[in-house]
Amino acid sequence: NAGVTQTPKFQVLKTGQSMTLQCAQDMNHNSMYWYRQDPGMGLRLIYYSASEGTTDKGEVPNGYNVSRLNKREFSLRLESAAPSQTSVYFCASILLSGLAGRRAIYEQYFGPGTRLTVT
Amino acid sequence: AQTVTQSQPEMSVQEAETVTLSCTYDTSENNYYLFWYKQPPSRQMILVIRQEAYKQQNATENRFSVNFQKAAKSFSLKISDSQLGDTAMYFCAFMKGNSGGGADGLTFGKGTHLIIQP
Repeated sequence: NAGVTQTPKFQVLKTGQSMTLQCAQDMNHNSMYWYRQDPGMGLRLIYYSASEGTTDKGEVPNGYNVSRLNKREFSLRLESAAPSQTSVYFCASILLSGLAGRRAIYEQYFGPGTRLTVT
Repeated sequence: AQTVTQSQPEMSVQEAETVTLSCTYDTSENNYYLFWYKQPPSRQMILVIRQEAYKQQNATENRFSVNFQKAAKSFSLKISDSQLGDTAMYFCAFMKGNSGGGADGLTFGKGTHLIIQP
């Protein structure tokens, strides 16, 4: 059981290049997320997928696209990288671990992060 | 939209002391969850403690406890008998509840850098 895995761990891109960050979870979670973390900031939500086949924009979606390939995998694509996208990117997934009446109980699991530098 | 505010960018205490990290949030939701995450230099996000808004009892996990004041929208973290390994960034986070089972994601504060001095 590897939890949430991300590849690559580090990446350097030139402005205008494209790349895809990969994320996979082996815990059968329904919901998956991509966040970015900039210096002096908490994590900010880029996109999420509440369930297989659905994706939604988060707080900072501009310049990114996502694909929920299947229940396990959720990728983040930068079509034309910009220096403003230099950041640490985290993938996460959520397990609905129980229901108390109509209220769900969630547990979140994060990947180790990808440090991306755009020059 | 929700906001989370952590007003202490950095705190420093001596080993074995007790320290309290502050967090306030703003929401119009009634069903939500609050979390404290620890991020050591390895940058791994580690869940410290979780509080369901519908629970009146404050959550406790070993040396970590929270003071959840729903009316005041305050959610502080108390670390007792602090240890050198507690040195890290600490983030407060909010998540809206969803009775349908999906989850919209977390809203984070900017973090507090906690330093435990030997």
